[in-house]
Amino acid sequence: EAGVAQSPRYKIIEKRQSVAFWCNPISGHATLYWYQQILGQGPKLLIQFQNNGVVDDSQLPKDRFSAERLKGVDSTLKIQPAKLEDSAVYLCASSPHSEKLFFGSGTQLSVL
Amino acid sequence: QKEVEQDPGPLSVPEGAIVSLNCTYSNSAFQYFMWYRQYSRKGPELLMYTYSSGNKEDGRFTAQVDKSSKYISLFIRDSQPSDSATYLCAMRKNQAGTALIFGKGTTLSVSS
Repeated sequence: EAGVAQSPRYKIIEKRQSVAFWCNPISGHATLYWYQQILGQGPKLLIQFQNNGVVDDSQLPKDRFSAERLKGVDSTLKIQPAKLEDSAVYLCASSPHSEKLFFGSGTQLSVL
Repeated sequence: QKEVEQDPGPLSVPEGAIVSLNCTYSNSAFQYFMWYRQYSRKGPELLMYTYSSGNKEDGRFTAQVDKSSKYISLFIRDSQPSDSATYLCAMRKNQAGTALIFGKGTTLSVSS
């Protein structure tokens, strides 16, 4: 079974630039999550989708972050404009139900 | 007080040692408790999953939950160099769709 695919693996940008991350979940998984993991911290939920509807985006900084899930499958997370404090690993996870999450390898973002 | 507290370590042990990893939490509404293992530059992978209080064993790994003390533990017997990773505790409330809350993670190094 293929895992959660994310791209790119690494991204370096300057502050105030924009960036987008892509995620392809495990086939058949209805729930998709985006987490932010700052160095030395545990993952923090940014947004949760159930199919193509948003379940929880309470911790998404909506003035600069946006996310969408196309046709209930792939998802993109965008940051515009980026700040220095956005430097982190952005993890995508999917789940057939809410108990067990399967994570991708993440996109490591450096904002200079 | 953070909802989930976890000592980040690092923890260094010799091969064959018994390892004890712990988390405390403040929200009595948490019902589902998980341990994830995260290797460097990889996403977290689910290691152990328990519901409510009690013990669960899987090979060299044992997870314990003490809800009266709001304390969870992961024990690793006969530790191996391949166990060297960051271990994240995670938990969520008994409501469908609620987010996982992660601890900071404990970095473990097992030397041969």
